[in-house]
Amino acid sequence: EIVLTQSPGTLSLSPGERATLSCRASQSVSTDYLTWYQQKPGQPPRLLISRATSTFPGIPDRFSGSGSGTDFTLTISRLEPEDFAVYYCQQFGSSPWTFGQGTKVEV
Amino acid sequence: QIQLVQSGAEVKKPGASVKVSCKASGYSFTMYGISWVRQARGQGLEWMGWISADNGNRDYSQKMRGRMTMSTDTSTSTAYLEMRSLTSDDTAVYYCARAGAVLTTHFDHWGQGTLVTVSS
Repeated sequence: EIVLTQSPGTLSLSPGERATLSCRASQSVSTDYLTWYQQKPGQPPRLLISRATSTFPGIPDRFSGSGSGTDFTLTISRLEPEDFAVYYCQQFGSSPWTFGQGTKVEV
Repeated sequence: QIQLVQSGAEVKKPGASVKVSCKASGYSFTMYGISWVRQARGQGLEWMGWISADNGNRDYSQKMRGRMTMSTDTSTSTAYLEMRSLTSDDTAVYYCARAGAVLTTHFDHWGQGTLVTVSS
């Protein structure tokens, strides 16, 4: 099973600041199979980035993904008030399709 | 628009079974698959399994295998998750999500979630 470790657990930032979220895999994951989601309280997850770098239609361009192998990053260039939420990475490279434990971005 | 609408909240006693439905609309159901993900209160996301609505192929997480069954009804574009021998550890919100029929690289649409509470 591929274990995804996200860091930090909590990121305390202010609107307008840059957020850098990390997702490290216990073994190499093809870039085709690394995905990022955003989740707000009481809502299902929302797809942000697929294939490590491809922004889903309708997602603001302040969200970007990068990385390869075992190290992946989600960057929010300038935080907007609606971006304060929990972010999860997920891999589809091998079953089970595991999630990271999440990073909470808070004010 | 693409929608996945799940059945309502359930309260079950330990040892019971539950069946959650997920009705799809706005796309061709058999061109995709459905995955199930659960989330205990205040916890992270846990992938449970995937079923192809095209050919019925399934993949279950090792943890869930033997206690859960996924199925689809293509005539009504509905996916089902049945969980058996419930314990308090199964108390969670259960989500369905649209996946690929063969190859999956992401879940692009999600149901609203179904709260299953297991309590004596």
